[in-house]
Amino acid sequence: SQQGEEDPQALSIQEGENATMNCSYKTSINNLQWYRQNSGRGLVHLILIRSNEREKHSGRLRVTLDTSKKSSSLLITASRAADTASYFCATDSGGSNYKLTFGKGTLLTVNP
Amino acid sequence: DVKVTQSSRYLVKRTGEKVFLECVQDMDHENMFWYRQDPGLGLRLIYFSYDVKMKEKGDIPEGYSVSREKKERFSLILESASTNQTSMYLCASGRTFPSPLHFGNGTRLTVT
Repeated sequence: SQQGEEDPQALSIQEGENATMNCSYKTSINNLQWYRQNSGRGLVHLILIRSNEREKHSGRLRVTLDTSKKSSSLLITASRAADTASYFCATDSGGSNYKLTFGKGTLLTVNP
Repeated sequence: DVKVTQSSRYLVKRTGEKVFLECVQDMDHENMFWYRQDPGLGLRLIYFSYDVKMKEKGDIPEGYSVSREKKERFSLILESASTNQTSMYLCASGRTFPSPLHFGNGTRLTVT
């Protein structure tokens, strides 16, 4: 079953602009992660935010988490053509076995 | 760097064939996963394993089985391939949660 749902499905911006992608989920989570996937490749982990955190930064990435709204956002600042990729959120609900549930992704295109 | 290697990048099989997809990781990770990725559906978990000889069903296990005889290797088996199993298959590994997952580059399987 899908847990996260990214919004928008596709986003096209110019180089230098900021890109914001959103993720909503249905049930309580322990952690939320964001991954990136270049065309035809595997996913690469970007950042993890725990349920007791509200914001996290990593380089040009900023992630927020609002557990009351069951949503997260990923902001990429000063985007580059190389940021063109699909971005996925993934959630886990804790427990003894590690199971990550992914959303359907946002396709980001950064035009030079 | 963690390396997750999937044995084939592209595979073409006939309906009814038995298909083996192999995945090897070199970082002594406890957890290994098989996902399939389809347009519009995102990543869906087929099976995962948290220890040698242990396996757990994911969200879509029907038509698949898995084998984990050694810690570094996790195999996905399609007992009798069908056209609706045409997909991109992604293997991933990770340490005890909530560590990030490390993905292979995927196997694009076509069943004709």
